[in-house]
Amino acid sequence: AQSVAQPEDQVNVAEGNPLTVKCTYSVSGNPYLFWYVQYPNRGLQFLLKYITGDNLVKGSYGFEAEFNKSQTSFHLKKPSALVSDSALYFCAVRAYTGFQKLVFGTGTRLLVSP
Amino acid sequence: NAGVTQTPKFRVLKTGQSMTLLCAQDMNHEYMYWYRQDPGMGLRLIHYSVGEGTTAKGEVPDGYNVSRLKKQNFLLGLESAAPSQTSVYFCASSYRPSGTQHTGELFFGEGSRLTVL
Repeated sequence: AQSVAQPEDQVNVAEGNPLTVKCTYSVSGNPYLFWYVQYPNRGLQFLLKYITGDNLVKGSYGFEAEFNKSQTSFHLKKPSALVSDSALYFCAVRAYTGFQKLVFGTGTRLLVSP
Repeated sequence: NAGVTQTPKFRVLKTGQSMTLLCAQDMNHEYMYWYRQDPGMGLRLIHYSVGEGTTAKGEVPDGYNVSRLKKQNFLLGLESAAPSQTSVYFCASSYRPSGTQHTGELFFGEGSRLTVL
C-alpha cells in the first residue's frame, strides 16, 4: 500500500529565508511524486512532479523538490520565501505501474512572516 | 476553458436530507474523483471513476453514491446526510495514467463546503 507522511503540521519562516517542507513516502516499486498547494478557500493546484531522471525537480512559483530514493523523501524547497507563499502544501504519491490512486499526505501549513 | 467546475459551492443540510454535488470537467479526462477534506486528515478518496459508466469505491465510500453517465460529469450523492459528512468536498479529474506521457496528476475544482446540522 502507498502512503505519504508530512511530519510537520506547520512550518514558519521569515520572508527572504529558504524554506523546506518535508515529505517521506512508502510505495512498492518506483514512485511518481507530486506537490500541490492550496490557498485559502481554493482547490489544490499542481506545483511539480517527479517521474524519473534528475533528482532535483523544478516547478511553479520558484519551488523545487529533491527526490532521495535512499531516504524515501521528496522535500519541497524554495531558496527565498515570499509572504504570498503562505498556504497549505500537500505531498502525494502514486505507484508507477498500473492504475494506482494518488495518495495524499495530511498537509503542512506554511506561514511566511514579513 | 473552465477546467473542473463544482456546484453548489456551499450547502447547509439537515440530518436525513439528501443532496447531489455536481462536478463537470471540460478537459476530456478519462478519470474523475471525489475527495473530502477534513482538518488534520488531508484528502480522503470517496469514490472514483475510470471512465463513463464506471465507478469504484475509495477509502471512505460509506454514506455516498456516485454516477458517471457522461464522460464530463461525475455526481456525488448523499442519500441521508449525517453530521459526520460535514466537510469540504473536492472533485478532481486526470488523464488515464500512461507512463511518462500522462502521470496521473489531478486537476481540482474549487470545492463544495457542506454543513449537516
